[in-house]
Amino acid sequence: GQNIDQPTEMTATEGAIVQINCTYQTSGFNGLFWYQQHAGEAPTFLSYNVLDGLEEKGRFSSFLSRSKGYSYLLLKELQMKDSASYLCAASMRYTDKLIFGTGTRLQVFP
Amino acid sequence: AAGVIQSPRHLIKEKRETATLKCYPIPRHDTVYWYQQGPGQDPQFLISFYEKMQSDKGSIPDRFSAQQFSDYHSELNMSSLELGDSALYFCASSLQGPGGAFGELFFGEGSRLTVL
Repeated sequence: GQNIDQPTEMTATEGAIVQINCTYQTSGFNGLFWYQQHAGEAPTFLSYNVLDGLEEKGRFSSFLSRSKGYSYLLLKELQMKDSASYLCAASMRYTDKLIFGTGTRLQVFP
Repeated sequence: AAGVIQSPRHLIKEKRETATLKCYPIPRHDTVYWYQQGPGQDPQFLISFYEKMQSDKGSIPDRFSAQQFSDYHSELNMSSLELGDSALYFCASSLQGPGGAFGELFFGEGSRLTVL
């Protein structure tokens, strides 16, 4: 079957670093998306990993290990505006469908 | 930069009525997707179109239909609305599909449908 797991909630302090993990079990796995979503708003694209390794984009980095079915999103120098849900989603070969995790709600405190 | 445009942003309907949502993808994007997101839920894939042809189908009820037009905009038609159809409906677009060379998939702001 298709399954994606990520923690439900996380908290962190402004200026800190937080790592949000995501494990997946999907057949025909192709790549892994990370999206940020504020309540009632559209998911905003953060990253897309196809190959193993770390990809860095400013304060955000995303890592993928295909052999372990594992990804993480690393957020550095946290800001209050980073408080949001972070969704990981798997894309698969031969389908347009993305399988989403239920999202990790991150709360950043001063 | 141009983004995915959806209309209307908010829609209130009664049970058994019909509703139509519109989506205008990012220019040059050839793939359009529709997702439904209920309160506190993750987005659920409904249907997708590539170059105006239905590309893939997910958990879209038979009461719903969708199409993509020659100008690449897409419409999601929902009939015999039920209370459970109340949700955020997102349209997304990408170039060459989610697993393609340009895999980024961008979402519109969503259309919030409330069925009373």
